[in-house]
Amino acid sequence: GNSVTQMEGPVTLSEEAFLTINCTYTATGYPSLFWYVQYPGEGLQLLLKATKADDKGSNKGFEATYRKETTSFHLEKGSVQVSDSAVYFCALSNSGGSNYKLTFGKGTLLTVNP
Amino acid sequence: NAGVTQTPKFRVLKTGQSMTLLCAQDMNHEYMYWYRQDPGMGLRLIHYSVGEGTTAKGEVPDGYNVSRLKKQNFLLGLESAAPSQTSVYFCASSRVPSSAVYEQYFGPGTRLTVT
Repeated sequence: GNSVTQMEGPVTLSEEAFLTINCTYTATGYPSLFWYVQYPGEGLQLLLKATKADDKGSNKGFEATYRKETTSFHLEKGSVQVSDSAVYFCALSNSGGSNYKLTFGKGTLLTVNP
Repeated sequence: NAGVTQTPKFRVLKTGQSMTLLCAQDMNHEYMYWYRQDPGMGLRLIHYSVGEGTTAKGEVPDGYNVSRLKKQNFLLGLESAAPSQTSVYFCASSRVPSSAVYEQYFGPGTRLTVT
């Protein structure tokens, strides 16, 4: 079956530091990959996505590249801000019979201090 | 557009009580979902619906029932609440997935505590 493993947090950084949150996956076929973000007290929002190998998703300064050879989709940002403090979820959906389903990682809490 | 809304935002129940959580979306989405979020567990799918009048079980359906009588609404019921159902519940909706590439839109969540 499908599964997503992401680095456990919490992650605490100072403002302007570099961020990496690791995500690896197991899936059959050719999944699409997503990063969702959950700000305090809110629901999840799509941050970025990639649909095929070597695609790079980007949004709000965040980037992630779909690496099929390493089954990874690591989230990066060059200079984090206090406003980036949130929980980040890696997820995948599969083009197979259950393509409506998202499989989520457990989430990584990021805290950015001024 | 309000997007996806959930009612109520917070609720405290005693063991054995029942309640219904309401989810509404105004995006004319066909698919709707109920998830629960627990610390260290990520999001787990409880039930989902692929259209008005249809429902199906997700990963963790036991102790919950759902109904989709109208396209825009998806109700989650707890018939006899248990402390293990203490969680944050999220509703989501999406268009019909024509490929694996689609976005689910989430509501703000309902925090439920069962004592």
